[in-house]
Amino acid sequence: NAGVTQTPKFRILKIGQSMTLQCTQDMNHNYMYWYRQDPGMGLKLIYYSVGAGITDKGEVPNGYNVSRSTTEDFPLRLELAAPSQTSVYFCASSYAHSNQPQHFGDGTRLSIL
Amino acid sequence: KQEVTQIPAALSVPEGENLVLNCSFTDSAIYNLQWFRQDPGKGLTSLLLIQSSQREQTSGRLNASLDKSSGRSTLYIAASQPGDSATYLCAVRNTGNQFYFGTGTSLTVIP
Repeated sequence: NAGVTQTPKFRILKIGQSMTLQCTQDMNHNYMYWYRQDPGMGLKLIYYSVGAGITDKGEVPNGYNVSRSTTEDFPLRLELAAPSQTSVYFCASSYAHSNQPQHFGDGTRLSIL
Repeated sequence: KQEVTQIPAALSVPEGENLVLNCSFTDSAIYNLQWFRQDPGKGLTSLLLIQSSQREQTSGRLNASLDKSSGRSTLYIAASQPGDSATYLCAVRNTGNQFYFGTGTSLTVIP
């Protein structure tokens, strides 16, 4: 019963490098989300998707891109890494109905040096 | 824009004590409110979800209430245990599938 799986767990990047954070879920959830969590700042929504082929911006989308080609996968792409993107990134998923909770992965700790 | 505030930022209580965590939000047009637990280095675990039409939800020693008109929710933990030590976050879901999180309350239960 894997739930939401994120890879990698840790990564160090140099300024200007690019990378993709992977997220996959095995619960057949329609909705998927990417958040970042900075110390003392709570979680901020980056992007979300309500189904395969559909994505939309959250509160802090600048510097990131997403795609949703399948129900299971929702990768987050950083094209030109900047120190301000140092954070812990969480992927979550849920069913569409408003009475269904979000399920979270364990996060990816990303440092940009 | 929705603003979610949690007070206090940190709380330390002796084992066995009952306690209340607070969450307030500025825009009452919400679909639901969810309480999460986060352990160090881990993701978030959903504890309780309250629909906008509901007043409270209970699970074991946890009870969450919602007063949408005043923009407030509380999480009541009965007979606290050291294993309850964690950070507790609340999040509101607005129309348009946007979620807004508070900054959390760090709870320490002292044996």
